[in-house]
Amino acid sequence: QSALTQPASVSGSPGQSITISCTGTSSDVGSYNLVSWYQQHPGKAPKLMIYEVSKRPSGVSNRFSGSKSGNTASLTISGLQAEDEADYYCCSYAGSSTSLVFGGGTKLTVL
Amino acid sequence: QLQLQESGPGLVKPSETLSLTCTVSGGSISSSSYYWGWIRQPPGKGLEWIGSIYYSGSTYYNPSLKSRVTISVDTSKNQFSLKLSSVTAADTAVYYCARHYRNSWFDPWGQGTLVTVSS
Repeated sequence: QSALTQPASVSGSPGQSITISCTGTSSDVGSYNLVSWYQQHPGKAPKLMIYEVSKRPSGVSNRFSGSKSGNTASLTISGLQAEDEADYYCCSYAGSSTSLVFGGGTKLTVL
Repeated sequence: QLQLQESGPGLVKPSETLSLTCTVSGGSISSSSYYWGWIRQPPGKGLEWIGSIYYSGSTYYNPSLKSRVTISVDTSKNQFSLKLSSVTAADTAVYYCARHYRNSWFDPWGQGTLVTVSS
């Protein structure tokens, strides 16, 4: 069971937009609109930011958006703020035999 | 609002069984539509889903851990539990519990508890 592939790190300046990719296969990301994204600050529990590819939970800033094309899902953060600096993880359903897989995580640095 | 809290020993010896409990407050573990899951994170590494359970007792597990994992639920106490057998140093991690919408998202999460496997 392979993890989804994310870039190890991305960076951006305040006010800019960044995109984090999450690449899977036709057995997971490509087959189901069941990708979720989590934000994790150091020493804290992950927080749900996006679910079912592009839906935003109540209370999450509309600066966060999600999308998917083929086997790759993406998280875009617009208008970067200092508090966005954190680790971000994607997660996808991968079918009944494998169930759920996470990405390896991406460290976002706000310059 | 819904809150989850992990509890259990912070130190487990190699080859023994890791046991953790998650207590749910602010809502019922018997809510329809939701499963209840365990996820772990080795120090400095990424997240790994362990398994999830429905209030009826229906479970599904990560295939890579399935042979060693048992998740159970106690609806009378609004709790669910994790047992991981034959642990090694590779099982050292922060263990989180979370509400799980079947096959999809986890929210909210407990604060996590560090379990170290060492003699």
